[in-house]
Amino acid sequence: QVQLVESGGGVVQPGRSLRLSCAASGFTFRNFGMHWVRQAPGKGLEWVAIIWSDGSQKYYGDSVKGRFSVSRDNTKDILYLEMDSLRAEDTAVYYCTRDPGGGSWQSMLYWGQGTLVTVSS
Amino acid sequence: QSALTQPASVSGSPGQSITISCTGTSSDIGGYKYVSWYQQHPDKAPKLILYEVSNRPSGVSNRFSGSKSGNSASLTISGLQSEDEADYYCSSYTRSTTILFGGGTKVTVL
Repeated sequence: QVQLVESGGGVVQPGRSLRLSCAASGFTFRNFGMHWVRQAPGKGLEWVAIIWSDGSQKYYGDSVKGRFSVSRDNTKDILYLEMDSLRAEDTAVYYCTRDPGGGSWQSMLYWGQGTLVTVSS
Repeated sequence: QSALTQPASVSGSPGQSITISCTGTSSDIGGYKYVSWYQQHPDKAPKLILYEVSNRPSGVSNRFSGSKSGNSASLTISGLQSEDEADYYCSSYTRSTTILFGGGTKVTVL
């Protein structure tokens, strides 16, 4: 079965960096686009980034563009999110998600359990 | 980009049908067929219930249906059940090659 397991969350000071990882299993990782989606405490969902299956294309939400970078290692089946210049408003649960396949990369069929990032001094 | 517009809450009695609206612009909902809907129960990860406006992933009840007209999309839940009580989010692909979510709608089963 498809499993997505995020790690790397924690408490970080404003302005610092953090890298999240997402270990994928149960499917052929290199065949699917992968997204990061976040949810601030008590708030709604916010799309963060997508990386295509082969890593050739990456797109970002306006609030993280220029500060966050998504990457993947298709030999290790791991998705990454490098977060720089962190701000208090980046505090959220970060979800790793997978698209349904078949070219439908615009939606997210499988979700991890999420990892909490808290930006605070 | 501003979030897609959803009502904050919708309620209905068991067995009834309810509809949740999701309003965007011609740069997102109005321009593409890529509208998705997600259900989220408290302290759980979201679950995809509709994609490409009206397609249901395997295992999703046919009580969930979707449609789109102009710059708006809708999710209808028929035969409302207690387990449908949750938050619902719409999303759309945008002209900027990004994904935009709605603010979420809390569904209450009376």
